[in-house]
Amino acid sequence: GIQVEQSPPDLILQEGANSTLRCNFSDSVNNLQWFHQNPWGQLINLFYIPSGTKQNGRLSATTVATERYSLLYISSSQTTDSGVYFCAVGRTGNQFYFGTGTSLTVIP
Amino acid sequence: NAGVTQTPKFQVLKTGQSMTLQCAQDMNHEYMSWYRQDPGMGLRLIHYSVGAGITDQGEVPNGYNVSRSTTEDFPLRLLSAAPSQTSVYFCASSQAGGIQETQYFGPGTRLLVL
Repeated sequence: GIQVEQSPPDLILQEGANSTLRCNFSDSVNNLQWFHQNPWGQLINLFYIPSGTKQNGRLSATTVATERYSLLYISSSQTTDSGVYFCAVGRTGNQFYFGTGTSLTVIP
Repeated sequence: NAGVTQTPKFQVLKTGQSMTLQCAQDMNHEYMSWYRQDPGMGLRLIHYSVGAGITDQGEVPNGYNVSRSTTEDFPLRLLSAAPSQTSVYFCASSQAGGIQETQYFGPGTRLLVL
């Protein structure tokens, strides 16, 4: 399968700070998604971004497929941003591989 | 739309018992899948289905069975539960194939096997 590494594993931020989360993957992919798992366990899709850059409010993501990494930017963080952020990738055969996540805590 | 629903939310089993985790979606999605999430780990794919009557194994299929008789439902069966199957189970669906499409997740089922 495809190896997916996320960094940092843990992150603590003051409210209002910015952060960058990284996802490295071991092989070429044609699907990459970022998810947020809130403290109640619900997984929410943030971005479908196999390549290029997307923005949604305070969040943006960039994937450089040729270099096998993706970045998730969080600006002006809020306490509601707390949770675990997962990167997941897929290639062919409908298999989908998740990283181990970045646990973000935003303190007021 | 209710999206992806899962039942039950919580379950405690004894070793050797069997049970079925239910998953349903009302978005007419062709692709459905089951994952398990263990502490400190990401989600791992158990089984998936690209349409009614078609299923295939994921990364960690042992100990689990699935079937897909309708587009809406994708149950996961544990035939003889083991403590190693203690986990949180998520069902997901997407429009047509898990590769090019955004996936939507259910709320999860927390399973404890004693």
